[in-house]
Amino acid sequence: GENVEQHPSTLSVQEGDSAVIKCTYSDSASNYFPWYKQELGKGPQLIIDIRSNVGEKKDQRIAVTLNKTAKHFSLHITETQPEDSAVYFCAASSEEYGNKLVFGAGTILRVKS
Amino acid sequence: DAGVIQSPRHEVTEMGQEVTLRCKPISGHNSLFWYRQTMMRGLELLIYFNNNVPIDDSGMPEDRFSAKMPNASFSTLKIQPSEPRDSAVYFCASSLAEGGEQYFGPGTRLTVT
Repeated sequence: GENVEQHPSTLSVQEGDSAVIKCTYSDSASNYFPWYKQELGKGPQLIIDIRSNVGEKKDQRIAVTLNKTAKHFSLHITETQPEDSAVYFCAASSEEYGNKLVFGAGTILRVKS
Repeated sequence: DAGVIQSPRHEVTEMGQEVTLRCKPISGHNSLFWYRQTMMRGLELLIYFNNNVPIDDSGMPEDRFSAKMPNASFSTLKIQPSEPRDSAVYFCASSLAEGGEQYFGPGTRLTVT
């Protein structure tokens, strides 16, 4: 089955700087890669996703890149703000395995003001 | 849109008692997922339904766990009998179609003493 590894486990950045979180996956059949943001006491919130037919997707200050050859994808947050502080999860799924999401272990992002 | 609704938000029970968690998916969504989140194991998929039919329950840890979806707007996850190791946050998520974006509820924090 699929295995998703996520790095780093914690990340501290200064307000205004960029943050990058990286994930690798094991199953070459995976074709859907969402990113979730989880704030304390809340459920994960989908912030951006990418499918295997594109290499990059942007939404304002957030972007995701995908390298299918290397089997890794990354989340990029520019001009970070204190409200970006949260736990971020990457995930992967494939139609071959019933579209089940397999999550990474999460990254705690702290934005210092 | 009210989003995914879960109840109760918090549940404290004694070992051996039956626990029932409830979920109302987003109206019109055809797929429903139950996840468990712990510090040790992260986010794990327990079971998912498509059009009210259980598709994959391979993540259900033991026979003590069962889930039902009697109609498109309601699902339950039952633990009987509960054990302290079942303490976790349980999330319900729904998506418009199989393989689509998943939207999570606020979760139920279960504590079994």
